Amino acid sequence: RKEVEQDPGPFNVPEGATVAFNCTYSNSASQSFFWYRQDCRKEPKLLMSVYSSGNEDGRFTAQLNRASQYISLLIRDSKLSDSATYLCAVTLYSSASKIIFGSGTRLSIRP
Amino acid sequence: GAVVSQHPSWVICKSGTSVKIECRSLDFQATTMFWYRQFPKQSLMLMATSNEGSKATYEQGVEKDKFLINHASLTLSTLTVTSAHPEDSSFYICSGGTTNEKLFFGSGTQLSVL
Repeated sequence: RKEVEQDPGPFNVPEGATVAFNCTYSNSASQSFFWYRQDCRKEPKLLMSVYSSGNEDGRFTAQLNRASQYISLLIRDSKLSDSATYLCAVTLYSSASKIIFGSGTRLSIRP
Repeated sequence: GAVVSQHPSWVICKSGTSVKIECRSLDFQATTMFWYRQFPKQSLMLMATSNEGSKATYEQGVEKDKFLINHASLTLSTLTVTSAHPEDSSFYICSGGTTNEKLFFGSGTQLSVL
């Protein structure tokens, strides 16, 4: 079983739609959780950290369910510029440690 | 903010040659650097953890004699792909930082082996 699993997509949705991504992780000892955005052949960029209490940044909302070992990302009012691959990621330790990435979910926003 | 400078951005080489990729941490000291590889339409897979002044830790299935990692200073880590073959063609990227919230990625190196 992969350490971090995501639906690979692709998701193809119209501009303005709401889209949700899910991710599960296998190691219950995981401590930190993130969503990254990666454009083609570019480095991943941190979109947001994910906390049990849930967190929101503009149109983006992330949620963590430790009991189910499940992470989600919701994008509201999607823009063309949101087209990218979204990677969920986890680490085992709170200090700088290796990040384990999911396989990524491709999102395409159409006009 | 802090930056990880990675060079080269892309390289094309003949099969059998060795390629060195450098990652420099600017404005911070990276005691640890992580090296990832990404094949087309796949995720970033951790190859190894580079530790300043000591041996790198390789992930299962990654050949340490083929992917040589050197981390001789707090600001420089290098990955050398020795005797590269077409199957080594991939996107290689490094990251380093002080906390998980502040992990900085290099811009990546696209390696194409002919």
